[in-house]
Amino acid sequence: DAGVIQSPRHEVTEMGQEVTLRCKPISGHDYLFWYRQTMMRGLELLIYFNNNVPIDDSGMPEDRFSAKMPNASFSTLKIQPSEPRDSAVYFCASSQTGTGHPDTQYFGPGTRLTVL
Amino acid sequence: RKEVEQDPGPFNVPEGATVAFNCTYSNSASQSFFWYRQDCRKEPKLLMSVYSSGNEDGRFTAQLNRASQYISLLIRDSKLSDSATYLCAANTGGFKTIFGAGTRLFVKA
Repeated sequence: DAGVIQSPRHEVTEMGQEVTLRCKPISGHDYLFWYRQTMMRGLELLIYFNNNVPIDDSGMPEDRFSAKMPNASFSTLKIQPSEPRDSAVYFCASSQTGTGHPDTQYFGPGTRLTVL
Repeated sequence: RKEVEQDPGPFNVPEGATVAFNCTYSNSASQSFFWYRQDCRKEPKLLMSVYSSGNEDGRFTAQLNRASQYISLLIRDSKLSDSATYLCAANTGGFKTIFGAGTRLFVKA
């Protein structure tokens, strides 16, 4: 079975531009998480969804960040306008209820974002 | 105080050594705990889950001490391939998981 898929793997953009990151969770998983990882702050939870509904977005840093999950197999994280301090690796993860350990998360390969 | 804290290391150990990492958590309501391994420029991958007092998988043993609010990871007979960053995580309610900053391990020949 394919794991979590993220695109693009690398993104370099200029300050002020809109950035859209994409994620396809593992088929059948009903939870989806967006994380940001930097050297200074580590791995931070930004937002997570259950059955396509946002459950907790308290980690979203500011209004420039938005996330959607229009269906069970696709989610986006958008930054508009982007700033240099948004440079980080953004991970998407998914998990599945109804299993022995529903809160085990499986991570995608990440998107390395550089904002110049 | 951070919700999940780890010693960042690095831990430098020779092959064959036993090494232990500790991780403390602040939310006494946390029920599930995890150790993830992250290689350089890669995604975190689940190493072990801890739901009760502990868990063991081959050379790896995780222990949970609820009274003192810490979990530990013990690696026996270290291999070169164990070199990585080890992330501790705690589920703080629902499906919200908080990660520590990670502990770096270098195993040398």
